[in-house]
Amino acid sequence: ETGVTQTPRHLVMGMTNKKSLKCEQHLGHNAMYWYKQSAKKPLELMFVYSLEERVENNSVPSRFSPECPNSSHLFLHLHTLQPEDSALYLCASSQDGLAGEPDTQYFGPGTRLTVL
Amino acid sequence: AQSVTQLGSHVSVSEGALVLLRCNYSSSVPPYLFWYVQYPNQGLQLLLKYTSAATLVKGINGFEAEFKKSETSFHLTKPSAHMSDAAEYFCAVSSSLGNEKLTFGTGTRLTIIP
Repeated sequence: ETGVTQTPRHLVMGMTNKKSLKCEQHLGHNAMYWYKQSAKKPLELMFVYSLEERVENNSVPSRFSPECPNSSHLFLHLHTLQPEDSALYLCASSQDGLAGEPDTQYFGPGTRLTVL
Repeated sequence: AQSVTQLGSHVSVSEGALVLLRCNYSSSVPPYLFWYVQYPNQGLQLLLKYTSAATLVKGINGFEAEFKKSETSFHLTKPSAHMSDAAEYFCAVSSSLGNEKLTFGTGTRLTIIP
């Protein structure tokens, strides 16, 4: 596997279900991100982990719970979601802290989530 | 604070014609600028990035972008459109001081007319 992978690619769940999204990066990066992409809206940054510590949480509802057990893996645990949470969830990774270089983010293919 | 504005949520060009996708940015410090492309049912792929080394940046698939500080612009161009260029394109800005993460524009959907 190369780059950033995400599983599953598609997920349908009811509002009372509990599920998890998984992201794995094979780039040796030290930062990982969760984004939400909804139709006709800009990409929304949900969570940022740098060196496995959460450094940013953009006021995301508690029904979304991230977990970063190591620098290569990132999870998004979902419970009691709402239909408006249906979206494409994208994971990204970057190598932070390179002098003179931007933190270029590399994205996975996304998980298309539908909440019924 | 930083932001980007992409003018035109939809752009249509004929196959073989010039592609021009517009992006203007706002940043209180020298910016880093990016263009990403998203094909249907896929994630975002980096096309090119500006890091202050050169104002004209060449990317993949024949795309290039020019940083114009006086116009606060970073427009994306390609001399001759191909059917495979049909996708959504996102401009993004981050801070060269490292204190702000990527901020994305709302995207421009490019349609290629045969």
